[in-house]
Amino acid sequence: EAGVAQSPRYKIIEKRQSVAFWCNPISGHATLYWYQQILGQGPKLLIQFQNNGVVDDSQLPKDRFSAERLKGVDSTLKIQPAKLEDSAVYLCASSLGTWRRGRPYEQYFGPGTRLTVT
Amino acid sequence: AQTVTQSQPEMSVQEAETVTLSCTYDTSESDYYLFWYKQPPSRQMILVIRQEAYKQQNATENRFSVNFQKAAKSFSLKISDSQLGDAAMYFCAYRGDRGGGSNYKLTFGKGTLLTVNP
Repeated sequence: EAGVAQSPRYKIIEKRQSVAFWCNPISGHATLYWYQQILGQGPKLLIQFQNNGVVDDSQLPKDRFSAERLKGVDSTLKIQPAKLEDSAVYLCASSLGTWRRGRPYEQYFGPGTRLTVT
Repeated sequence: AQTVTQSQPEMSVQEAETVTLSCTYDTSESDYYLFWYKQPPSRQMILVIRQEAYKQQNATENRFSVNFQKAAKSFSLKISDSQLGDAAMYFCAYRGDRGGGSNYKLTFGKGTLLTVNP
């Protein structure tokens, strides 16, 4: 079974530029997550999709970050304009469904995109 | 809000020996799950082991086992017969199992970098 795919693996941009990351989840997985992992910290959830609808985007800086999952499969995360503090690894994960009591769906992570903002 | 604390930024172990990684957490909930994830240099987060809070028996997965102390809110990971391939960043994570919404988010600690010496 193919895992979660992400591209690019690395990206270097200057502040105030824009950047986009792409994620293709495991086939059949309805739920998709984007995490931000700053160096020296654990991942922090930015946004969660169930099919093409947003379940949770409470920690997404909406003034500069946006994400979409138009057909309920792959997803794009965009930053515009980028700031120095956006330098991080951006991880995508997917699961069969949204966590429910008694349904502890495991999340499967992709290899991430390392973003450096100079 | 739930918090997860890993007090050991770095640990090292000799190949074939045993090492224990510590984790404490803070929650007012009674139903939850705890996880240990491994993140090698490839950056892909891999689930190592999971513990349901309602289970008194400690989870084990081959060479990996946990010591879950619910009253003390402690969740340590023991790696036996350490191998070179165990070298990675290890993250402890918490997820609620009641109440929905943000309680279902994975909350990660800051991680422990494990080095395995040959």
